[in-house]
Amino acid sequence: GAVVSQHPSRVICKSGTSVKIECRSLDFQATTMFWYRQFPKQSLMLMATSNEGSKATYEQGVEKDKFLINHASLTLSTLTVTSAHPEDSSFYICSAYRANQPQHFGDGTRLSIL
Amino acid sequence: GENVEQHPSTLSVQEGDSAVIKCTYSDSASNYFPWYKQELGKGPQLIIDIRSNVGEKKDQRIAVTLNKTAKHFSLHITETQPEDSAVYFCAARYGSGNTGKLIFGQGTTLQVKP
Repeated sequence: GAVVSQHPSRVICKSGTSVKIECRSLDFQATTMFWYRQFPKQSLMLMATSNEGSKATYEQGVEKDKFLINHASLTLSTLTVTSAHPEDSSFYICSAYRANQPQHFGDGTRLSIL
Repeated sequence: GENVEQHPSTLSVQEGDSAVIKCTYSDSASNYFPWYKQELGKGPQLIIDIRSNVGEKKDQRIAVTLNKTAKHFSLHITETQPEDSAVYFCAARYGSGNTGKLIFGQGTTLQVKP
């Protein structure tokens, strides 16, 4: 299946730090990338939809100034958690999508804010 | 809003037995239904999917059935093995368009006892 690489896999940092997570589609050009957040023993919660070359669309309740998304190319999207606080600690997962193809997920980033 | 209900939340079976996970969806325009397997600390991996123009699809020990009238779809795993133990998520594509946006079920933790 398609390969989606997410980096870093784990981040531990102090409160107030901004953290950038990269999502790369390695073997196909993704017109759309999605960013999810997952709490322990819960389902995936969609945060935002990112289309290459345009502004991301955020789900209700997700702060766009808190979670900055950039999708500069068909193979790379980044999520920056700005001024992170302990409540932002979570498992963040990206996925890559192209029309008429399945959505493929990265292996997630475990973010821990101290 | 659009919703996908998944049952059961946990399922324990003996190795070699079958496992069935059921989902219902609310958006009658949904036409694509993937199933994902998520192992601990990893992203979801697509295991099988079905489109609304077919009622059943099989891939070795895994099968999915779809009843569009009742808005139900199910995952069937036969001859279960310990390595099948994981969290399984069903999903339905939101709307009839090609946005790729998925609505996920709550997840089922499958435990296969050797």
